[in-house]
Amino acid sequence: GAGVSQTPSNKVTEKGKYVELRCDPISGHTALYWYRQSLGQGPEFLIYFQGTGAADDSGLPNDRFFAVRPEGSVSTLKIQRTERGDSAVYLCASSLCWRGCNQPQHFGDGTRLSIL
Amino acid sequence: TQLLEQSPQFLSIQEGENLTVYCNSSSVFSSLQWYRQEPGEGPVLLVTVVTGGEVKKLKRLTFQFGDARKDSSLHITAAQPGDTGLYLCAGVSREYGNKLVFGAGTILRVKS
Repeated sequence: GAGVSQTPSNKVTEKGKYVELRCDPISGHTALYWYRQSLGQGPEFLIYFQGTGAADDSGLPNDRFFAVRPEGSVSTLKIQRTERGDSAVYLCASSLCWRGCNQPQHFGDGTRLSIL
Repeated sequence: TQLLEQSPQFLSIQEGENLTVYCNSSSVFSSLQWYRQEPGEGPVLLVTVVTGGEVKKLKRLTFQFGDARKDSSLHITAAQPGDTGLYLCAGVSREYGNKLVFGAGTILRVKS
């Protein structure tokens, strides 16, 4: 498809487990972003990649959260020792560039993560 | 504290009515965007405004960026049931590291 693809669309797991969320950006988009959206809130920035490197990870809430983008395309958001407060929709977006350009971000449909 | 305050939080109106949604901040933004999000989907960009006082129209939707670039409004004329959704404003500001920051959104429901 032509859009940002996120898998799985839904993930239910128990507290304490490890989860991986995958994002496949639009082909050719060098910038990739992860956001978290809680119920009744707007998306909240987590981390941004320019190519393979994390250019800004200031939004990651703690060291249980980690993200990689080893080949500059697909990205994986990893959450260790999940807690009930991690339950949210995790959104991924991609764009042609980041700072200094006005290219829009294109969002995927998100992964709805539920921690029981 | 929300960096971008949206009002109202929820709006339920009849088909054919007009409405305005507001997005306010104490910070200056280099650009401001409006998105629409439907349940189970990601936000979809409607418009980007970058110049203070700028007005953009998209069919029945009119977007305005405040002169001081601290606020914006979205006006919908003759709302349709298909306009139902969550409307999010988001801005880029040097004050917040040039990251895209979102408001909490306005849930719009248009009844037929």
